[in-house]
Amino acid sequence: DTAVSQTPKYLVTQMGNDKSIKCEQNLGHDTMYWYKQDSKKFLKIMFSYNNKELIINETVPNRFSPKSPDKAHLNLHINSLELGDSAVYFCASSLSGTGKNIQYFGAGTRLSVL
Amino acid sequence: AQKVTQAQTEISVVEKEDVTLDCVYETRDTTYYLFWYKQPPSGELVFLIRRNSFDEQNEISGRYSWNFQKSTSSFNFTITASQVVDSAVYFCALSKFTGGGNKLTFGTGTQLKVEL
Repeated sequence: DTAVSQTPKYLVTQMGNDKSIKCEQNLGHDTMYWYKQDSKKFLKIMFSYNNKELIINETVPNRFSPKSPDKAHLNLHINSLELGDSAVYFCASSLSGTGKNIQYFGAGTRLSVL
Repeated sequence: AQKVTQAQTEISVVEKEDVTLDCVYETRDTTYYLFWYKQPPSGELVFLIRRNSFDEQNEISGRYSWNFQKSTSSFNFTITASQVVDSAVYFCALSKFTGGGNKLTFGTGTQLKVEL
């Protein structure tokens, strides 16, 4: 039973296309996140949702739009893909509240924009 | 602003050697959490440990141990008797203590290579 699952694992696409990455967690967590890992392996937060509400939005281009249909799912839609969007995107989840914030990560989605 | 520095970009050791991965952090918060994550060659991120800022007790888990020193803002990670399976990128991270949905601020990672 995968706790945090992302699909697809690999995504290869052309510049200008629109693509989505899906994330689901079965840990009963109420908070979900998207992180981007660049080619130098640097990890940076993009978004966070708590109970379907956006609580963190870190200077991400508005071509990136997260959507949380319920607290177990957080999808990432990217419009007009650019070469610089090539990266590994990680979904994570945690409980909210002091003392409960261990984030568990999915396996990552490797996006290659050609 | 929060910042995490992992000055060691890459470390190579021979199996059975002990190795310490350094982590230095900066924060204006008086309470916070520190974490270590492992990213093996397969790519996933695996949680290893969380430490809160008011608990300076060192922790040992099998071959892994962590040394937290608030006075020097360091949270170092030691692997005793390293094994080839320990080869991975290790990330130190920092988050705020209170509230929900706190982002992790990661260091740049240390690539550990354990050779036979």
